[in-house]
Amino acid sequence: EAQVTQNPRYLITVTGKKLTVTCSQNMNHEYMSWYRQDPGLGLRQIYYSMNVEVTDKGDVPEGYKVSRKEKRNFPLILESPSPNQTSLYFCASSLSAGSSEQFFGPGTRLTVL
Amino acid sequence: QQQVKQSPQSLIVQKGGIPIINCAYENTAFDYFPWYQQFPGKGPALLIAIRPDVSEKKEGRFTISFNKSAKQFSLHIMDSQPGDSATYFCAARGGLYAGGTSYGKLTFGQGTILTVHP
Repeated sequence: EAQVTQNPRYLITVTGKKLTVTCSQNMNHEYMSWYRQDPGLGLRQIYYSMNVEVTDKGDVPEGYKVSRKEKRNFPLILESPSPNQTSLYFCASSLSAGSSEQFFGPGTRLTVL
Repeated sequence: QQQVKQSPQSLIVQKGGIPIINCAYENTAFDYFPWYQQFPGKGPALLIAIRPDVSEKKEGRFTISFNKSAKQFSLHIMDSQPGDSATYFCAARGGLYAGGTSYGKLTFGQGTILTVHP
């Protein structure tokens, strides 16, 4: 089944404890992106990747890192999480930047205490 | 700065009603305008989309109306059903020669929570 998977789905952590949210797609997509969803703000792009080894900042990159060493994986790293990073996170992928559809993962709900 | 503004924030209609969700954008370099539907506990999924050279697109009960000169577009849901209850996001995609945004980037509206009562 073609899909985007994220792990973990739920995570409660404490301020300053490094964490990684994994994202993987099995559709051979070039373009991948991370979003955070907050009430009243919609989805905001954190980072995106046009292809392997090519990543760039989105609208809200502060406090996050990403890497794209393989085409299928695009992990999101929070080196020192803070409470304002409590949010619902989505990974998405598409065949290319110009594709008509981005496919979203199921989401990761992160709480930072 | 919110480049895509969506309203209303929430909407309640009776079954069979026609909810309308509106979006306005600022960047004329956007080249594609999708609507995503999100059910609780799920990721957003593409519902319907339109390109700026078309004024209307219809797929089943869902219709997008697009006004390029006003930089506005809207989603209409005909004969709404309780199963349409979800959060709806409009979005705009940065074009190949986009200014102020990056190629392929989706900029989302704030979302509309739609409730359709039986």
